[in-house]
Amino acid sequence: EAGVAQSPRYKIIEKRQSVAFWCNPISGHATLYWYQQILGQGPKLLIQFQNNGVVDDSQLPKDRFSAERLKGVDSTLKIQPAKLEDSAVYLCASRPTLNNEQFFGPGTRLTVL
Amino acid sequence: AQSVTQPDIHITVSEGASLELRCNYSYGATPYLFWYVQSPGQGLQLLLKYFSGDTLVQGIKGFEAEFKRSQSSFNLRKPSVHWSDAAEYFCAVEPQGGKLIFGQGTELSVKP
Repeated sequence: EAGVAQSPRYKIIEKRQSVAFWCNPISGHATLYWYQQILGQGPKLLIQFQNNGVVDDSQLPKDRFSAERLKGVDSTLKIQPAKLEDSAVYLCASRPTLNNEQFFGPGTRLTVL
Repeated sequence: AQSVTQPDIHITVSEGASLELRCNYSYGATPYLFWYVQSPGQGLQLLLKYFSGDTLVQGIKGFEAEFKRSQSSFNLRKPSVHWSDAAEYFCAVEPQGGKLIFGQGTELSVKP
């Protein structure tokens, strides 16, 4: 079974630029999550999707971050414009319907200069 | 508010020695509890989880954890550490609804 795929693995941009990350969850997993992991901290949930609907986006900075999950499969997370404090690893995870285990992708490491 | 505390930011143990990583949570009821491991440049891998029942749970790679309701703790243990266990360890709780709340992590170094 293929795992959660994310791309790119690394991205370096300058502040005020835009960036997008892509996630392809494990086939059949209805729930998809985006987490932000700042260096030295644990991951923090940004947004949770159930199929193509948003379940929780309470901690998503909506003035600059947006996310979508078209057709309830893969998802993109966008930052526009980026700030220095957005430098972090962005982790995508997916979960099947009848299981409480989340499966994580390798993450995208974003550096904002 | 729900929270997870991992009091030790960094722990160093000798190879072959025993290991205990501490985790305390704050939540009104018994949440689902997890331990994840993260190696450099890698995603998070689930070591073990507790939902209900037996308070001592076994995981992969020889790890175990014990849920103590009275102490709101879920400490991770391993009787004999291997050099390959060096990594960052995260305790997490899932109150309800599926999102995970993570502790800040404990970095484990293993001395030869």
